[in-house]
Amino acid sequence: GQQVMQIPQYQHVQEGEDFTTYCNSSTTLSNIQWYKQRPGGHPVFLIQLVKSGEVKKQKRLTFQFGEAKKNSSLHITATQTTDVGTYFCAERYNFNKFYFGSGTKLNVKP
Amino acid sequence: GAVVSQHPSWVICKSGTSVKIECRSLDFQATTMFWYRQFPKQSLMLMATSNEGSKATYEQGVEKDKFLINHASLTLSTLTVTSAHPEDSSFYICSASGPDTQYFGPGTRLTVL
Repeated sequence: GQQVMQIPQYQHVQEGEDFTTYCNSSTTLSNIQWYKQRPGGHPVFLIQLVKSGEVKKQKRLTFQFGEAKKNSSLHITATQTTDVGTYFCAERYNFNKFYFGSGTKLNVKP
Repeated sequence: GAVVSQHPSWVICKSGTSVKIECRSLDFQATTMFWYRQFPKQSLMLMATSNEGSKATYEQGVEKDKFLINHASLTLSTLTVTSAHPEDSSFYICSASGPDTQYFGPGTRLTVL
């Protein structure tokens, strides 16, 4: 399957600081999806990006898809303790198969 | 949003026994379901694609005789871990395919003693 790498692996921030995770692929991605998994929970769909250069916002979360469709980012402005969890990017393949990135674990200190 | 359930949520078994995990789509029909496993602090690894009424498609490196998948109806897929060993201990998560994304079950934590 597709190799989608995420950086950083871990991020510790103080509440109120910003956070960004990056998803990179060596090949062109047809689309990218972002998921959040709380500790002990299951992944929850956040958003899907399809178009080159696409930018979508959900409150404090901003999602970007690179112009070359080989990378994507998730940026959280002014983190809160409720943002704690692991954020995964995933590419959707044929027949709705998804391959997940390695994930970025976010810890927010109050 | 769509709801997917898994049963059991956790199971402890002895080495050598078989364990069946059920995945149900509660409010929609899913012709395709997926099974993932997740080791601690790692990402989700796709194991297999479960197709209603046909054989499952396994990812490279996943033993089909070890992980038996049955998708007998549009709302139920089962994963049976046969002759489980301690290295099979993991978090198993299913998902059901929706129109734009997939909906994950809550996961089953398997511990093999």
